[in-house]
Amino acid sequence: AQSVTQLGSHVSVSEGALVLLRCNYSSSVPPYLFWYVQYPNQGLQLLLKYTSAATLVKGINGFEAEFKKSETSFHLTKPSAHMSDAAEYFCAVSEGGGNKLTFGTGTQLKVEL
Amino acid sequence: EPEVTQTPSHQVTQMGQEVILRCVPISNHLYFYWYRQILGQKVEFLVSFYNNEISEKSEIFDDQFSVERPDGSNFTLKIRSTKLEDSAMYFCASRTSGSHEQYFGPGTRLTVT
Repeated sequence: AQSVTQLGSHVSVSEGALVLLRCNYSSSVPPYLFWYVQYPNQGLQLLLKYTSAATLVKGINGFEAEFKKSETSFHLTKPSAHMSDAAEYFCAVSEGGGNKLTFGTGTQLKVEL
Repeated sequence: EPEVTQTPSHQVTQMGQEVILRCVPISNHLYFYWYRQILGQKVEFLVSFYNNEISEKSEIFDDQFSVERPDGSNFTLKIRSTKLEDSAMYFCASRTSGSHEQYFGPGTRLTVT
């Protein structure tokens, strides 16, 4: 069975600082991994995805994530945080790509001046 | 840009009543999903639907739930007799054949009183 663990339900960074949101996964087959962002009162927007191609994946809004099989991790990073990045971020795994998504519990990112 | 739409945005119903949540997936998408997010909890998979059949369902998706694609554009989730614990945000998602990306709608907040 697939699962996702997101360490840190709340992360606070200063504007301009590095953003690092952690995600570890468990999957019985090679996984497909996704990061979604949810702004208040909105739906889930896909930030980026890993689908067994390049291990370093670039997404929208300057975010990127690196797939590390040995660590079963898919951490999300952004070199310089912006106030508009404040939102909830969800890591998700899918076994087989188009199948159901299993989400982590989410990380609320707060960006301070 | 095409997007998934959901109606209503907020539904309040009394316990025991039937509700139908509506979704209009992106027009060329063939795979459809329902997820729910209880307040403060993670997003959970309910059901996937393809070719007018349920492909997979979770343990949450019991006999009280049903899905239907009544015409070429709508995809509905029906809860026959709502319970207090059905109160949640319900998200519809869709994807094309051959793509790993699920596109999410803005959600319907269901409140059962």
